[in-house]
Amino acid sequence: DGGITQSPKYLFRKEGQNVTLSCEQNLNHDAMYWYRQDPGQGLRLIYYSQIVNDFQKGDIAEGYSVSREKKESFPLTVTSAQKNPTAFYLCASSGGGDYNEQFFGPGTRLTVL
Amino acid sequence: QKEVEQNSGPLSVPEGAIASLNCTYSDRVSQSFFWYRQYSGKSPELIMSIYSNGDKEDGRFTAQLNKASQYVSLLIRDSQPSDSATYLCAVNIGTNAGKSTFGDGTTLTVKP
Repeated sequence: DGGITQSPKYLFRKEGQNVTLSCEQNLNHDAMYWYRQDPGQGLRLIYYSQIVNDFQKGDIAEGYSVSREKKESFPLTVTSAQKNPTAFYLCASSGGGDYNEQFFGPGTRLTVL
Repeated sequence: QKEVEQNSGPLSVPEGAIASLNCTYSDRVSQSFFWYRQYSGKSPELIMSIYSNGDKEDGRFTAQLNKASQYVSLLIRDSQPSDSATYLCAVNIGTNAGKSTFGDGTTLTVKP
């Protein structure tokens, strides 16, 4: 089955720790994205990548880092510099075409203890 | 002004009624428009895409686009309790830009 997987589903972190969230897709999509969603809020773009080995900052990149070494994978690291990391993190991918619509993974819920 | 604005709701309709969700956007070069449904605690699911002026129908869902008024809407006919969710409007600037801007969503409740 084609799709986007994110792991883990739930993640607990102590303050001061870096954590890495996994995102993998087997849709052969070129572009991948990371969003953050806070309760009752819309989606805010953290980073996006339109091609392997290239990525751009979104609207709220501070305290986050990414890599895109493979087309299928776009991991997100939440660093200790991110002041309020507790949130729902969503990964998406898009494959171009007329609409270039994005498809989402199931998400990772990060809680800082 | 936000780039993409939606009525915050909540919107409540009786079962079987038409639910109307609205979205306005500020960038006139916006090209592609999307509606996502998000159930509580879950990730967004794409339900409609539109990029030409007019109506696009898919089952009980109709998306309406008016670029001159910078307005896109979603109509849900014969609303069901299972339609109760938050609906997110998203806008792409340029057909190949691939970068979507999302509204904050409208929460819909369909009462049996």
